[in-house]
Amino acid sequence: QSALTQPPSASGSPGQSVTISCTGTSSDVGGYNYVSWYQRHPGKVPKIMIYEVSKRPSGVPDRFSGSKSGNTASLTVSGLQAEDEADYYCSSYAGSNNLVFGGGTKLTVL
Amino acid sequence: EVQLVESGGGLVQPGGSLRLSCAASGFTFNIYWMTWVRQTPGKGLEWVANIHQDGSEKYYVDSVKGRFTISRDNAKNSLYLHMNSLRAEDTAVYYCARDEISLTYWGQGTLVTVSS
Repeated sequence: QSALTQPPSASGSPGQSVTISCTGTSSDVGGYNYVSWYQRHPGKVPKIMIYEVSKRPSGVPDRFSGSKSGNTASLTVSGLQAEDEADYYCSSYAGSNNLVFGGGTKLTVL
Repeated sequence: EVQLVESGGGLVQPGGSLRLSCAASGFTFNIYWMTWVRQTPGKGLEWVANIHQDGSEKYYVDSVKGRFTISRDNAKNSLYLHMNSLRAEDTAVYYCARDEISLTYWGQGTLVTVSS
């Protein structure tokens, strides 16, 4: 039940694209198509942005996209906007009804 | 509107116990898995436990096995986390969330501080 690895920070200018990685193992990210991404603004409740690697819940802008290759999942935010500045966390199913999270990435819009 | 409201957090001494509650509304509680997640100060999120719709299956992160018990009362639309033998490293904000893999709704959290 080791945490997934995310970069502590990422940044981009308005309008640019930024990709955040989430690295696990074949026992979690690589073994299941159950990667989710959550956005959390300070003092706010986490909001699911991506589920099952690349699916977007209704209401989430299509600027947010998810993908996976091997043991690494990625969240890409295109056309960065000021309101995208937040902490982003990935999670993955890890078997036996366990869930594992990443350490979080602080996204800064320059 | 889906709402999850946690309560029961507070300051407790090491070795002590606490029961967290999560009141759910705005959805049919008894058809969803429910989950507890915590965030320790300055660190990321950590999955703690989850429970099947009817309470028949329960799963825990290794660090809380034998000390924490997740339960639910579908008649009261409520989720609980009974925490025993609390340690300093259990200090965190505890969130309840709906579902067991893709956590679609989260509560605001309740702070648990374990300190003498």
